[in-house]
Amino acid sequence: NAGVTQTPKFQVLKTGQSMTLQCAQDMNHNSMYWYRQDPGMGLRLIYYSASEGTTDKGEVPNGYNVSRLNKREFSLRLESAAPSQTSVYFCATVLSNGADTQYFGPGTRLTVL
Amino acid sequence: QKEVEQNSGPLSVPEGAIASLNCTYSDRGSQSFFWYRQYSGKSPELIMSIYSNGDKEDGRFTAQLNKASQYVSLLIRDSQPSDSATYLCAVRYYGNNRLAFGKGNQVVVIP
Repeated sequence: NAGVTQTPKFQVLKTGQSMTLQCAQDMNHNSMYWYRQDPGMGLRLIYYSASEGTTDKGEVPNGYNVSRLNKREFSLRLESAAPSQTSVYFCATVLSNGADTQYFGPGTRLTVL
Repeated sequence: QKEVEQNSGPLSVPEGAIASLNCTYSDRGSQSFFWYRQYSGKSPELIMSIYSNGDKEDGRFTAQLNKASQYVSLLIRDSQPSDSATYLCAVRYYGNNRLAFGKGNQVVVIP
């Protein structure tokens, strides 16, 4: 089992370009999350999906959209990238909303020039 | 805004010593508390969870929770170079299914 996978691992964009970060899990977990991590800022929640078919905003949703494509996949889209979105993005999953252990993917390092 | 504070700067400890990390949180209604370890360039991994006041031990790690004072701590006994990492405190608040993370504390174990 691969656990939680994220693609791509690295990406460089120019300001105004769009892209989609992909997250997939094979653990049959219900809830999925997108975080960003900036130096000295810890992990901040962007969006989350408690279950297939639902999505909700987190702490820093502006400039992002998400799609819970099915139970396995949760994508994060940047419609018009800005330098402020340079960050490391992590996807995480839990068995059910409110469960203890969040399992994190390996992360996507995004640079916006 | 729920806040989780980890204010200490980088912590350097000699190998074999005890590393002590502290975390405070803002909401008295919080239910669950977690410590994640993150190696440089890697993703966070859960190392401890605690729900009740008191101590919880798991190997060389001990988590301590004091809800009255709204703090949770992590002790690493017999620190090893492999413990060198950033440790993230996370809190799940009452009525909220999301985690709030602190900014993390870097621990450097000196051989």
